[in-house]
Amino acid sequence: QVQLQESGPGLVKPSETLSLTCTVSGGSVSSGSYYWSWIRQPPGKGLEWIGYIYYSGSTNYNPSLKSRVTISVDTSKNQFSLKLSSVTAADTAVYYCARSWDSRWELLLVYWGQGTLVTVSS
Amino acid sequence: QTVVTQEPSLTVSPGGTVTLTCASSTGAVTSGYYPNWFQQKPGQAPRALIYSTSNKHSWTPARFSGSLLGGKAALTLSGVQPEDEAEYYCLLYYGGAQPWVFGGGTKLTVL
Repeated sequence: QVQLQESGPGLVKPSETLSLTCTVSGGSVSSGSYYWSWIRQPPGKGLEWIGYIYYSGSTNYNPSLKSRVTISVDTSKNQFSLKLSSVTAADTAVYYCARSWDSRWELLLVYWGQGTLVTVSS
Repeated sequence: QTVVTQEPSLTVSPGGTVTLTCASSTGAVTSGYYPNWFQQKPGQAPRALIYSTSNKHSWTPARFSGSLLGGKAALTLSGVQPEDEAEYYCLLYYGGAQPWVFGGGTKLTVL
């Protein structure tokens, strides 16, 4: 059974870049035709899809964040990562990583990490 | 900006039946939106329940069912249990520039 674990700084200063990694166990980021996604949830609010990277390397981002987001894969560490630049307090949220069931994008978000809280504050 | 709307809150008695809906600002929700449903309990990550309108995962209790109802995606809980108290989110596929959009969530209270 695949397991996902987010990690990264819990506090980021305004205007800086938020960087998170998702470590995958029980499977490989480089094998299988999976979508690897990031989702976030501001405190007390709903979920927001950030984007995904497909096993082929293609990416797709939420247009509201597209200019600031980069998702990439590091096969040597069996991780994928999220970078969000020029953060503001509005980017304070619990960030989740997730994986699809298989290659079907309609099963995009099946396996989830436990989430990590990132606070943007000086 | 596409908006997906869910009931903010619903209350149901134990053993009862409740239907949560998911509407799109672009018009009627069809199977082509591949509606997904997720359950989230406080302090936990969301858990996938339903995909492609009505398909259940192996771990989805039988009392949960998905459908299309009156131009919306719907999640029906029959024989509600106390442990079903949670926030429920739908997710719709639009393709193009804004492929996936979550609804605002429905807080289900079992009382």
